[in-house]
Amino acid sequence: GESVGLHLPTLSVQEGDNSIINCAYSNSASDYFIWYKQESGKGPQFIIDIRSNMDKRQGQRVTVLLNKTVKHLSLQIAATQPGDSAVYFCAESPNTGNQFYFGTGTSLTVIP
Amino acid sequence: EPEVTQTPSHQVTQMGQEVILRCVPISNHLYFYWYRQILGQKVEFLVSFYNNEISEKSEIFDDQFSVERPDGSNFTLKIRSTKLEDSAMYFCASSELPSTEAFFGQGTRLTVV
Repeated sequence: GESVGLHLPTLSVQEGDNSIINCAYSNSASDYFIWYKQESGKGPQFIIDIRSNMDKRQGQRVTVLLNKTVKHLSLQIAATQPGDSAVYFCAESPNTGNQFYFGTGTSLTVIP
Repeated sequence: EPEVTQTPSHQVTQMGQEVILRCVPISNHLYFYWYRQILGQKVEFLVSFYNNEISEKSEIFDDQFSVERPDGSNFTLKIRSTKLEDSAMYFCASSELPSTEAFFGQGTRLTVV
């Protein structure tokens, strides 16, 4: 099946710094990507999405970059806050279906 | 803000028993999903459902599992003859359109003993 993986399982940043979370995917047919945030005991929460016809998308304090050449996705969080501490998953959806394949997750810890 | 709701939040069952996990998707959504997450692992796709039938399913979703939309609001996952390895968080999700943002519920923690 598809493989979606993350480079780093954990990331610690100082409050106020920028965070970058990376993700590699293997399915060239994937055309839609989402970053989800999951806090302890809760379901995944949508952060931002991007389609394969774009290479960058910005939201409030977050930016997603997509590099289709190397099948790499990243999430940038500006001015990281303690409330950003969570596990972040990238998820890909192939153009052949509507399910999502999740990566293994990166645990972000923000140090006050 | 509309949300996906799941009940119960925690279900404990004996091995071999059947369980039904319930979900109320967002009302104007047409696509429904079940995912599971074994403790400490990634979220895994189980099944997607549209127009009262399964549209896709993963290898995990074998004959032990079934889904149903018994009425206009509920979406259920039935697990027959539960095994210890079925212990996991089960998440329901829904989306308005395919390949668009899927909204997740808070999950049901299933513990098989």
